[in-house]
Amino acid sequence: KAGVTQTPRYLIKTRGQQVTLSCSPISGHRSVSWYQQTPGQGLQFLFEYFSETQRNKGNFPGRFSGRQFSNSRSEMNVSTLELGDSALYLCASSSQGAMNTGELFFGEGSRLTVL
Amino acid sequence: GQQLNQSPQSMFIQEGEDVSMNCTSSSIFNTWLWYKQDPGEGPVLLIALYKAGELTSNGRLTAQFGITRKDSFLNISASIPSDVGIYFCAGPLNTGNQFYFGTGTSLTVIP
Repeated sequence: KAGVTQTPRYLIKTRGQQVTLSCSPISGHRSVSWYQQTPGQGLQFLFEYFSETQRNKGNFPGRFSGRQFSNSRSEMNVSTLELGDSALYLCASSSQGAMNTGELFFGEGSRLTVL
Repeated sequence: GQQLNQSPQSMFIQEGEDVSMNCTSSSIFNTWLWYKQDPGEGPVLLIALYKAGELTSNGRLTAQFGITRKDSFLNISASIPSDVGIYFCAGPLNTGNQFYFGTGTSLTVIP
């Protein structure tokens, strides 16, 4: 079974630009969530999608957005990049559609550097 | 938001030693998960705990769900070099798959 695939793995942007990250979940998984990982703040929840609907959203500004397609693939977008957006962005998929007892399967992440 | 505090923040141990780390929360969680992250990789689930007081083992790893449901412990016996990494505890909110992650414990095993 193929794991969670995230693209691109690495990218460098400058302040003010925007970026789109992609995540392909494990086949059959309908829940996709995104996390931001930084040395100072650790792993922080961005949002979760299930069946193309955003089910939960973390405490991030509106510059962070996402969507999920009918095939469960997900994208997240960050507009007007700031230096503080430099981080590892992790996508996780889960087979659990209901409550939070499911295991999260993480991808290797997309490392974003903002200059 | 929720705060999951892990201790110790980092550990340097000799190969073969046992390791113990814990995670505490200001809120009650109904599920506790322990993840390990290797450098350059995403976190991987080690152990999941679903009931207060539950003690679960996975090979050399043992984790316990605290009775108060506000804490959890992870023990690693007879550490080996591949145990190196960052260990995170995590607990979910009541809706969907939104998890709070602990601050992490970085483990270094000296051969």
